[in-house]
Amino acid sequence: AQTVTQSQPEMSVQEAETVTLSCTYDTSESDYYLFWYKQPPSRQMILVIRQEAYKQQNATENRFSVNFQKAAKSFSLKISDSQLGDAAMYFCAYRTDNDMRFGAGTRLTVKP
Amino acid sequence: DADVTQTPRNRITKTGKRIMLECSQTKGHDRMYWYRQDPGLGLRLIYYSFDVKDINKGEISDGYSVSRQAQAKFSLSLESAIPNQTALYFCATSELSGRWNEQFFGPGTRLTVL
Repeated sequence: AQTVTQSQPEMSVQEAETVTLSCTYDTSESDYYLFWYKQPPSRQMILVIRQEAYKQQNATENRFSVNFQKAAKSFSLKISDSQLGDAAMYFCAYRTDNDMRFGAGTRLTVKP
Repeated sequence: DADVTQTPRNRITKTGKRIMLECSQTKGHDRMYWYRQDPGLGLRLIYYSFDVKDINKGEISDGYSVSRQAQAKFSLSLESAIPNQTALYFCATSELSGRWNEQFFGPGTRLTVL
């Protein structure tokens, strides 16, 4: 079965600094999609960034970027210029056509 | 107005009671999903439906049932609630086809079983 592992239950970063959240996954599929979701205290799930497995180029969305290493099955999220509003739980997720798996989450604290 | 709504938002019930969580969407999506979120475990898929006549079990379907009453409505039932079903429950939707099939989540239902 596919699994998604986030090895950092908690992370903290100073405001305006950069932080990287780790994610690895296990799959035998060749075609899949990867996502990072943010869950603030409001508990709403918000899509942060997404990546197609067949694309070598790393996705970027403003201050958020990923480092996608397909051979290593690694999909880390980098947050640049961290802001207080970035404080949340972050979930890595893996999707094929018939399956969606989430990691256990990383709680990010941003220190002013 | 929210595209994906869930009712109730919070619910406290007792062991053995039957409870139904409801999800409605105005996005026109064919696919709908139910997840539960537990601390330290992330979100896990309970059931999913690709259209009104299609229901599929997810990773953790035991103790749950679902009904797809219409394209826009997908309900989750706990026939006899037990304390370890205390969790945050999310409904999500996605398009039938498309490049990303990105899932759009409802606001969640906090369920407590005493």
